[in-house]
Amino acid sequence: QQQVKQSPQSLIVQKGGIPIINCAYENTAFDYFPWYQQFPGKGPALLIAIRPDVSEKKEGRFTISFNKSAKQFSLHIMDSQPGDSATYFCAATNSGGSNYKLTFGKGTLLTVNP
Amino acid sequence: KAGVTQTPRYLIKTRGQQVTLSCSPISGHRSVSWYQQTPGQGLQFLFEYFSETQRNKGNFPGRFSGRQFSNSRSEMNVSTLELGDSALYLCASKVDYRSYNEQFFGPGTRLTVL
Repeated sequence: QQQVKQSPQSLIVQKGGIPIINCAYENTAFDYFPWYQQFPGKGPALLIAIRPDVSEKKEGRFTISFNKSAKQFSLHIMDSQPGDSATYFCAATNSGGSNYKLTFGKGTLLTVNP
Repeated sequence: KAGVTQTPRYLIKTRGQQVTLSCSPISGHRSVSWYQQTPGQGLQFLFEYFSETQRNKGNFPGRFSGRQFSNSRSEMNVSTLELGDSALYLCASKVDYRSYNEQFFGPGTRLTVL
């Protein structure tokens, strides 16, 4: 059972475009939603994270939008650059439970063309 | 502070063999988790160790096992390798498993099973 569904699998945008990656979750106990960025040959690195008590969080050019009632959240990258080309993973966990393992989406391969 | 290190970075084995992968966490981090990353399934949680004890376990067969040493270094072993075990194996460390805190990933070990 996949508890975090991520779409699209791949995305190509032009420089300056605003790619949007969407995730949906099923487990209502999830209360912490991080996004990871992974470059080829590297491990995933935390990019930005949100808790459901806010509907939006911005860090630089990266914004997470959160819709608790729909159990969906999305990543927007403003003014995308070729250096943003990477695989992006959404994830979710119950930070107040006894098991803090992250459940990941399957990833989105983003290509930003110059 | 040095990041998470994994050895070896690349490994080629044949079906039926076994393999041992190693992970050294960030200094001061006592929790180590292992993940399998494949194009089709994304990142899947294998297990988490803390203080030399397995604390969490994912849904993988018993051929996948791990251990942690007193210096927090961890190894994972896969016995009787199958073609489907070809993947990037990622290790992640964090300070503690008893409360939610950020985990940091290593660069991974790319295992190819022929």
